[in-house]
Amino acid sequence: SYELTQPPSVSVSPGQTASITCSGDELGDKYTCWFQQKPGQSPLLVIYQDSKRPSGIPERFSGSNSGNTATLTISGTQAMDEADYFCQAWDSTTAIFGTGTKVTVL
Amino acid sequence: VQLEESGGGLVQPGGSLRLSCAASGFSFSYYWMAWVRQAPGKGLEWVANIDQDGSEKYYVDSVQGRFTISRDNAKNSLYLQMNSLRAEDTAVYYCARHIVTTLLLDSWFDPWGQGTLVTVSS
Repeated sequence: SYELTQPPSVSVSPGQTASITCSGDELGDKYTCWFQQKPGQSPLLVIYQDSKRPSGIPERFSGSNSGNTATLTISGTQAMDEADYFCQAWDSTTAIFGTGTKVTVL
Repeated sequence: VQLEESGGGLVQPGGSLRLSCAASGFSFSYYWMAWVRQAPGKGLEWVANIDQDGSEKYYVDSVQGRFTISRDNAKNSLYLQMNSLRAEDTAVYYCARHIVTTLLLDSWFDPWGQGTLVTVSS
């Protein structure tokens, strides 16, 4: 079965750039989206179709996808960006979520 | 756009439960819908999705044959009938609008409801 692997945790200082990777076989041939989930809240879509931001999502969130890796980049990270982040792609008719990455803003 | 789940609770192994999701603020009948779950302290797992008129449905292998997704467009509601429940089905179940362009391969979940907790335990 298809799998998406993310690093368990990423630490970043306020104002710096956080990069979260999502790895999967030939992932670049698929569309990837990203969700942010803060404690006690439901997931929030922050990136879809690899690099598009939904309305209301700050410009500091960006995405890319090539080869076997999709990347979510948070530029100028703020304390409010501390959360769990999940990537997601489709394997035929099955939605696959990544293992999740906890972003800590130190 | 608002999605509100209900119907969660404590159920014994082997029991049944029906979850509901009330949608508002958008044309419900125009969209695919989905259920996604999250076990306590764990990641996200897609459970099932359904197309606009209920003719196309897909399930994760682990619930195939036990869970049934359905919808009532007249009531702007999505449902998940869960039978033969197991301890490993314990999770928060989220309802999500599933935005599909031309193919499922180019689709995403947005927004999500607040979730309803299902606990399977004796």
